[in-house]
Amino acid sequence: EDQVTQSPEALRLQEGESSSLNCSYTVSGLRGLFWYRQDPGKGPEFLFTLYSAGEEKEKERLKATLTKKESFLHITAPKPEDSATYLCAVQGDYKLSFGAGTTVTVRA
Amino acid sequence: DGGITQSPKYLFRKEGQNVTLSCEQNLNHDAMYWYRQDPGQGLRLIYYSQIVNDFQKGDIAEGYSVSREKKESFPLTVTSAQKNPTAFYLCASRPKGSYEQYFGPGTRLTVT
Repeated sequence: EDQVTQSPEALRLQEGESSSLNCSYTVSGLRGLFWYRQDPGKGPEFLFTLYSAGEEKEKERLKATLTKKESFLHITAPKPEDSATYLCAVQGDYKLSFGAGTTVTVRA
Repeated sequence: DGGITQSPKYLFRKEGQNVTLSCEQNLNHDAMYWYRQDPGQGLRLIYYSQIVNDFQKGDIAEGYSVSREKKESFPLTVTSAQKNPTAFYLCASRPKGSYEQYFGPGTRLTVT
């Protein structure tokens, strides 16, 4: 069965303090790994798609990387507006499986 | 303006009542999905539809029903048979040829 595990569950950062979120996965036939941002009470907002090990994608202060077993979402010099829950999902042969998310809080 | 809309944003019902959640998209996507989100858990798939007039059960379909009479619309009915219906419900759609799913704003259902 496909599994996605995100760590840590919660992350509190000072503004400007860079850090990384982890998404480890086991999947039968990886078709893609996705990162989403979710604000409280709202639907997930699509951030990145990664397809193969070694691939990297960047958007503003966020950078996603992929290996054969895990993905990292690096947040560089975060700002308070980066506070959100970040979800990781993997598309296997049959379905999209989600992790429980990492809730990031950035203090000014 | 293309997107996915869900209504209502908040819904309150008494136990024993059926309730229908609306999901509409104008993105011309073929596939549509319903997920349930509970605190501390990943999104769980309830039902999905890849084409009009066809749909399949997901991992937690018991107590739910759907229809897909139009490409744009995929309503979800939460029946009285669903034991723990209080949750945040998310609708998503996916364009043909892609695995990327795009989500609506969600409906928070509270059953007392």
